[in-house]
Amino acid sequence: DVKVTQSSRYLVKRTGEKVFLECVQDMDHENMFWYRQDPGLGLRLIYFSYDVKMKEKGDIPEGYSVSREKKERFSLILESASTNQTSMYLCASRTQGTTNYGYTFGSGTRLTVV
Amino acid sequence: SQQGEEDPQALSIQEGENATMNCSYKTSINNLQWYRQNSGRGLVHLILIRSNEREKHSGRLRVTLDTSKKSSSLLITASRAADTASYFCATDNWAAGNKLTFGGGTRVLVKP
Repeated sequence: DVKVTQSSRYLVKRTGEKVFLECVQDMDHENMFWYRQDPGLGLRLIYFSYDVKMKEKGDIPEGYSVSREKKERFSLILESASTNQTSMYLCASRTQGTTNYGYTFGSGTRLTVV
Repeated sequence: SQQGEEDPQALSIQEGENATMNCSYKTSINNLQWYRQNSGRGLVHLILIRSNEREKHSGRLRVTLDTSKKSSSLLITASRAADTASYFCATDNWAAGNKLTFGGGTRVLVKP
C-alpha cells in the first residue's frame, strides 16, 4: 500500500527551539508539499518541491524552511518555533507534471509550541 | 490563498439520507478534486473531475462540475455514520503551478 509517512503524530516543543518535521513517501513521486491546517483558515501551503534539491515558497513560508536532499524525503524546519506555529501540519505528494492525479497525504503532525 | 469556498460549512443528517455540499471557485481550472478528512487525520483523495467533464460517479459519490458557474457539488447518497468527516474541494490550475488550492471544507455529521 502506497504511503506518505510523517514521523510524529503529536509533538510539543518550546518557544525558540528548532523543530524538524519529517515526511517520507514510497511512491517515487517528484512533487511534495507541506501545508498547515488551522480552524477557520483551511489548508495553507507553506512550501513545496518539484524534485530533489528544489523548493518553492507557498502562501505562508515565513518562519519556515525546507530540505529535499533525497527524492523520498521532504523536511519542514521551524527555525525558531513560536506559539503562532502551533498547528496541524500535513505533508502530501504527487507524481510530476500536469497530471490528473490527486495528492496522497500523510496522517498529519499536530505541533504544539509552548 | 483559498480558491474554493464550500457551502455549507457544516451539515447534520440522519443515516440513510443524502448529503450535498457545494464548492465555488474563482479562476479557471484543469480539474477539481474532493477529499475527506476524518477528525485529526490526513486528507484522503475521493474523486477527481476534469474540466471537460460534467458529472462523475464513484460508488455512493456523485460529483458535478459547472465551469460556466465555477462551481462543483459533491453528493453522498445513503449516508452512513462512517461518512462523518470534513470534506474539502481542491482546484488544480496547471498554469498556476503544479499545486492544489483547497477550500475551507464542509463538516458532515451523520447521526445513526
